[in-house]
Amino acid sequence: DAKTTQPPSMDCAEGRAANLPCNHSTISGNEYVYWYRQIHSQGPQYIIHGLKNNETNEMASLIITEDRKSSTLILPHATLRDTAVYYCIVRGGGTSGTYKYIFGTGTRLKVLA
Amino acid sequence: KAGVTQTPRYLIKTRGQQVTLSCSPISGHRSVSWYQQTPGQGLQFLFEYFSETQRNKGNFPGRFSGRQFSNSRSEMNVSTLELGDSALYLCASSLVSSGTFYEQYFGPGTRLTVT
Repeated sequence: DAKTTQPPSMDCAEGRAANLPCNHSTISGNEYVYWYRQIHSQGPQYIIHGLKNNETNEMASLIITEDRKSSTLILPHATLRDTAVYYCIVRGGGTSGTYKYIFGTGTRLKVLA
Repeated sequence: KAGVTQTPRYLIKTRGQQVTLSCSPISGHRSVSWYQQTPGQGLQFLFEYFSETQRNKGNFPGRFSGRQFSNSRSEMNVSTLELGDSALYLCASSLVSSGTFYEQYFGPGTRLTVT
């Protein structure tokens, strides 16, 4: 299963873009990159996913490098409510029809007023 | 649509006892996964159930087990509790379990304290 590496913590000023990097150098060709976040004492919340192309939704944008060995989650206008731990996950393979998510240590993003 | 519910939310047990945690997935979701979260080890995958069958399993001892019922509700059991089993146990449900993409919806978790 591919592993991910993220910086342990980052700060971002409110209203600015938050760029959270993730390295997944051992990712396989058919593995997706997922991003989740966990606000203190709550269950993780899905943000976005991608395979090869850049993706955007109402919450964030995901930029995946051409070699797929790294990606960046972008929160375009960070607010105080975006303070959370952000997890970059590559879905592990298994036998056909099975999977497992492997969570890394995540990046603790603190949005500053 | 109601989210993933977990019961109980908090639990205190003594070493050596066993415990059963319950998870009700979002209506229509057939896949349920369980995770353990501790400050030292982070979020770790326990197992996944789909259509009442365990489809995948993490690296946990046999004291950790689970099952899924025909209505997709799931339970996990931990026998012979150890102090190190103190953790937040999270349940996540998803629409399908397959090789294609799907997102998981997490419940609020059950905080287990073993004394």
